[in-house]
Amino acid sequence: AQSVTQPDIHITVSEGASLELRCNYSYGATPYLFWYVQSPGQGLQLLLKYFSGDTLVQGIKGFEAEFKRSQSSFNLRKPSVHWSDAAEYFCVAGTGRRALTFGSGTRLQVQP
Amino acid sequence: EPEVTQTPSHQVTQMGQEVILRCVPISNHLYFYWYRQILGQKVEFLVSFYNNEISEKSEIFDDQFSVERPDGSNFTLKIRSTKLEDSAMYFCASSPPGLAGGKNEQYFGPGTRLTVT
Repeated sequence: AQSVTQPDIHITVSEGASLELRCNYSYGATPYLFWYVQSPGQGLQLLLKYFSGDTLVQGIKGFEAEFKRSQSSFNLRKPSVHWSDAAEYFCVAGTGRRALTFGSGTRLQVQP
Repeated sequence: EPEVTQTPSHQVTQMGQEVILRCVPISNHLYFYWYRQILGQKVEFLVSFYNNEISEKSEIFDDQFSVERPDGSNFTLKIRSTKLEDSAMYFCASSPPGLAGGKNEQYFGPGTRLTVT
């Protein structure tokens, strides 16, 4: 069965520190991969996407993610976290126009 | 920037009642989706809709659920007889026409929180 795993339910980092959120997927073929962010009371905003090609993708708000086929991973990174980055982050996979499969989410807390 | 909108933001209903959740997708998009997130659980796919018909649905999307695009702008999800376990956040999403292979992301609305009492 297709699945997306985010092993960290909750992460706390200090403002200005670097961040890495982990994501692993299990799919029949390499899926398209996305990271979405959900702030309290808000919808799901797309941070970045990977379809093919360059394995390091840049997104909005200074985020980037690296696709590693050998590890079936798509980890999200940011070099310096801001307090406004506190939110829930979802790693998501899909193929073509079909249903997306969501990870369980990682809640990021930023300490001043 | 265009965005997906959903109404209402919060709906409270009694068990057994019918509810209709409304979505206005981004105007040039052709593919439409509903997902839901029960509190504390993962976001789950319900149904996708293209060219005025369902293109894919999950096991959750049983006979109690239906979708409709009644006009050129709205996309609705109807639950005929709500159950307590239907309480969840319901997200609408849309995706544009575009590249072969479906290399297009889905854009999500803010969600409707449905509470069934």
